[in-house]
Amino acid sequence: GNSVTQMEGPVTLSEEAFLTINCTYTATGYPSLFWYVQYPGEGLQLLLKATKADDKGSNKGFEATYRKETTSFHLEKGSVQVSDSAVYFCALRIQAAGNKLTFGGGTRVLVKP
Amino acid sequence: GAGVSQSPSNKVTEKGKDVELRCDPISGHTALYWYRQSLGQGLEFLIYFQGNSAPDKSGLPSDRFSAERTGGSVSTLTIQRTQQEDSAVYLCASSLEGLRSYEQYFGPGTRLTVT
Repeated sequence: GNSVTQMEGPVTLSEEAFLTINCTYTATGYPSLFWYVQYPGEGLQLLLKATKADDKGSNKGFEATYRKETTSFHLEKGSVQVSDSAVYFCALRIQAAGNKLTFGGGTRVLVKP
Repeated sequence: GAGVSQSPSNKVTEKGKDVELRCDPISGHTALYWYRQSLGQGLEFLIYFQGNSAPDKSGLPSDRFSAERTGGSVSTLTIQRTQQEDSAVYLCASSLEGLRSYEQYFGPGTRLTVT
């Protein structure tokens, strides 16, 4: 079956620190990969995506590269801000199996001033 | 424009009662999804509607759970004879079809507490 594993949180950082959240996946088929973010009190929203191997998704200073050889899609940001405090979810989709998303467990990130 | 809306935002019910959760997708979105977010299970897929096709019910945890989508728009998720393990946040999402189908827009969720 399909599954996503991401590092457990919480991850606590100081402002301007470097952030990495690891995500690896198992999939039958060729998945598209996503990072969703849930800010406090808000709904889930798409942060970035990659649809094929070696694609790099980027948004709001965050980046993630689709690595087929390591089945990974790690999220990175070079200099975090307090406003980046949120829960981050890695997810995959196999289009041939419908558009449903398979999510990782989520990683809570807390950025302190 | 308006996003995905869900009602109620919070629901407290007694064990054994039935509940109905409502989702209004973004206008023009032909795909609609239900997910559940709980402490023990994380975010899990429940059911997916796409246009006039038969829904993908593969994520429904038991036959106490059902959902319908009327007129290709509003959807209702029904849980019969609720159990304490049904306590969770139920999320609805919608998307376009075709090339933009990957981007699902989520509602704020309904927090269900079964006492």
